[in-house]
Amino acid sequence: DTAVSQTPKYLVTQMGNDKSIKCEQNLGHDTMYWYKQDSKKFLKIMFSYNNKELIINETVPNRFSPKSPDKAHLNLHINSLELGDSAVYFCASSHQPGGPQHFGDGTRLSIL
Amino acid sequence: KNQVEQSPQSLIILEGKNCTLQCNYTVSPFSNLRWYKQDTGRGPVSLTIMTFSENTKSNGRYTATLDADTKQSSLHITASQLSDSASYICVVSASTGGFKTIFGAGTRLFVKA
Repeated sequence: DTAVSQTPKYLVTQMGNDKSIKCEQNLGHDTMYWYKQDSKKFLKIMFSYNNKELIINETVPNRFSPKSPDKAHLNLHINSLELGDSAVYFCASSHQPGGPQHFGDGTRLSIL
Repeated sequence: KNQVEQSPQSLIILEGKNCTLQCNYTVSPFSNLRWYKQDTGRGPVSLTIMTFSENTKSNGRYTATLDADTKQSSLHITASQLSDSASYICVVSASTGGFKTIFGAGTRLFVKA
């Protein structure tokens, strides 16, 4: 039973396309997150939602739009993909903000 | 500025040896500090979490320490195993700003037979 699952695991697409990454958690957590891990392996928070409401929105281009249809899901939609968007995107969840986070295994996005 | 700095950047040790990884932070106001292990191609997995009042926490062969006065933490790995080869990430959360979480760049540990 995967606690935090992301799909797809790999995503290869052309520059300029629009794509979505889905995330679901079955832990009953209230808080979910999206992180970007670049080639230097540095994890940076992008968004955080608590009870479907946005609580953290770092300086991220507005081409990135998170959507939380319910507490168990936090999807990430990216418009007009650019070369610099190539990275591994991790979804995570925690019982409450600031609590220990459970991570998915990441979505490796490659822009051609 | 909230920052988390880890050292060394990478470390190679022989199987069976001990090692200690360091983490210095300037995050304020402090809420908690966590150590994560990230295997290649996987998401980070929590090893320990410590609040302000805790100065040591163990999880099997992993022992984390916290000095809230000097804003330093260490992760000590005892009797290393090949499976310990991974990145170890120090993460500090602030108690404001939606519990903003700052990640260190990680220490890449290689355990050799």
